Amino acid sequence: DVKVTQSSRYLVKRTGEKVFLECVQDMDHENMFWYRQDPGLGLRLIYFSYDVKMKEKGDIPEGYSVSREKKERFSLILESASTNQTSMYLCASSWVRGGYTFGSGTRLTVV
Amino acid sequence: KNEVEQSPQNLTAQEGEFITINCSYSVGISALHWLQQHPGGGIVSLFMLSSGKKKHGRLIATINIQEKHSSLHITASHPRDSAVYICAVGNFGNEKLTFGTGTRLTIIP
Repeated sequence: DVKVTQSSRYLVKRTGEKVFLECVQDMDHENMFWYRQDPGLGLRLIYFSYDVKMKEKGDIPEGYSVSREKKERFSLILESASTNQTSMYLCASSWVRGGYTFGSGTRLTVV
Repeated sequence: KNEVEQSPQNLTAQEGEFITINCSYSVGISALHWLQQHPGGGIVSLFMLSSGKKKHGRLIATINIQEKHSSLHITASHPRDSAVYICAVGNFGNEKLTFGTGTRLTIIP
């Protein structure tokens, strides 16, 4: 089974901190994604990557950046955390025209 | 108008009932996904389909491409089926998904 592992299930950070969310997949998938999930809004795409060092902005990239130095790892960076970035963050991976596998999510609280 | 609309938003049913969740979309798609999310949990992919019908255990997913509509059915529902069910569509040319806001299903014993 494909596994997508997110480094933390729960995270509490202070306003202004730089926050790193890590995601690792073990099946050599080309595509990796970062979503955030908020009540009533569903999942929204922050960034995605279709290859190493390649990235594209999603629907809500403001305040975020990403890094993909190795195929299996896709990192989401909150440059200066703000309270409106309190959310559930979900990483996913897929192969071209293939199914999705999601990580178990990181619930981030910014205080 | 959202590109992906699900109905109902909330559904409560008795154990054993036949459940139907609907999804309508307004864009051209390469595939439609049905996902399941338990409270506090990650998301599990149930089905990916681009035509016809798929079945896995008590779950059945159908899609009508012409009508831009899909349904997820659960037969002989059980309390462990209680979860949020999410419909998502993938667009041609890339693998990004657009999500519905989900249907919260509660099965009462």
